[in-house]
Amino acid sequence: DGGITQSPKYLFRKEGQNVTLSCEQNLNHDAMYWYRQDPGQGLRLIYYSQIVNDFQKGDIAEGYSVSREKKESFPLTVTSAQKNPTAFYLCASKTMDRGKDYGYTFGSGTRLTVV
Amino acid sequence: AQSVTQLDSHVSVSEGTPVLLRCNYSSSYSPSLFWYVQHPNKGLQLLLKYTSAATLVKGINGFEAEFKKSETSFHLTKPSAHMSDAAEYFCVVSDRINTGKLIFGQGTTLQVKP
Repeated sequence: DGGITQSPKYLFRKEGQNVTLSCEQNLNHDAMYWYRQDPGQGLRLIYYSQIVNDFQKGDIAEGYSVSREKKESFPLTVTSAQKNPTAFYLCASKTMDRGKDYGYTFGSGTRLTVV
Repeated sequence: AQSVTQLDSHVSVSEGTPVLLRCNYSSSYSPSLFWYVQHPNKGLQLLLKYTSAATLVKGINGFEAEFKKSETSFHLTKPSAHMSDAAEYFCVVSDRINTGKLIFGQGTTLQVKP
């Protein structure tokens, strides 16, 4: 079945460490997105990519980095520069074909905790 | 610029009674609007979407929403709440013209009492 796989489900990070969250999709979607969710704040966009080897900053990109070397993959690195990384991270993808419905698919999320 | 406002952060209903979750949007062009549901520590599940077709949109699990351009609203309703409906609900507008990114409301927590 097609979908988005995020791993790991839970991740613990020590202060000062970089960690990478995985997001893989087999939907042949062009665009991929990373969102951060904090209690009572909805979801906020970190980075997005509409095409391989290209990506743009979202609303809260500071302290994060991404890459898009393959269409299927859009990993997110939380660097030590991110001051408050504890949150729930969601990856999403969609087709950019304007002739089709704009269907977004979400992964099941990664909960990152700084210890 | 586009934005979405969910008017209630928390809604409590009794099982079997109607559900109304309110959402207003702002968009400089005809928007694509969505309602998503999230259960604790889970990803988001699409309930329904409006993409300039019929203004009354039917979704999964008995939910529906009506797009009202004159009121810039997209309220989510269900005739009879079930215990399993207890979750967080997000109203979302899509920047479909440019980036495809989603702009989320703050979320509404739905509590269903027995």
